[in-house]
Amino acid sequence: DVKVTQSSRYLVKRTGEKVFLECVQDMDHENMFWYRQDPGLGLRLIYFSYDVKMKEKGDIPEGYSVSREKKERFSLILESASTNQTSMYLCASSFSGSGHNEQFFGPGTRLTVL
Amino acid sequence: AQSVTQLDSQVPVFEEAPVELRCNYSSSVSVYLFWYVQYPNQGLQLLLKYLSGSTLVKGINGFEAEFNKSQTSFHLRKPSVHISDTAEYFCAVRVANFGNEKLTFGTGTRLTIIP
Repeated sequence: DVKVTQSSRYLVKRTGEKVFLECVQDMDHENMFWYRQDPGLGLRLIYFSYDVKMKEKGDIPEGYSVSREKKERFSLILESASTNQTSMYLCASSFSGSGHNEQFFGPGTRLTVL
Repeated sequence: AQSVTQLDSQVPVFEEAPVELRCNYSSSVSVYLFWYVQYPNQGLQLLLKYLSGSTLVKGINGFEAEFNKSQTSFHLRKPSVHISDTAEYFCAVRVANFGNEKLTFGTGTRLTIIP
């Protein structure tokens, strides 16, 4: 069974803090993704990575950065958290190739920025 | 660019009744289509996907979806729902290019089963 784990289920931070969200997958997937999920907006892609040290911007990268130093781990960084970054953050991973491949999701991290 | 529209944000249905969740997409090129389900306090999991071939696709938990190219739709159906089907359902589209891994999601439909 593919497993995607996220470091925290719930996180509360203060405005201006630096926040790290960690994601680990155990299936040797090449691709990893970070989404944020907001009511009425569905899932929006923040960043994705198709290989170690490689990254590409998604649809809403502003205010975020990412790091992928190892194949199994993909980190989302909020350099200076703001209240409008309060959201559910979902990590996903998949194999590369034909585009058929299913994305497997972690359970999510609900981040509140006060 | 491709887009996905899920017109119904909430759908209440009585237990054992049939349900249809609507999804329409927009794209100028060929696409792959997916339905994902999110149970309360969980991540998303794949229900079914359409890649090519037969337009009727069967998925897990008794769900099926039909691809209609002329209407650019991929509606999800189940003939008889159960309380355990209460969840949020997301339609997603991916451009059918080799190496393209990006999914575009709809805004989701919250299915509530009434006992």
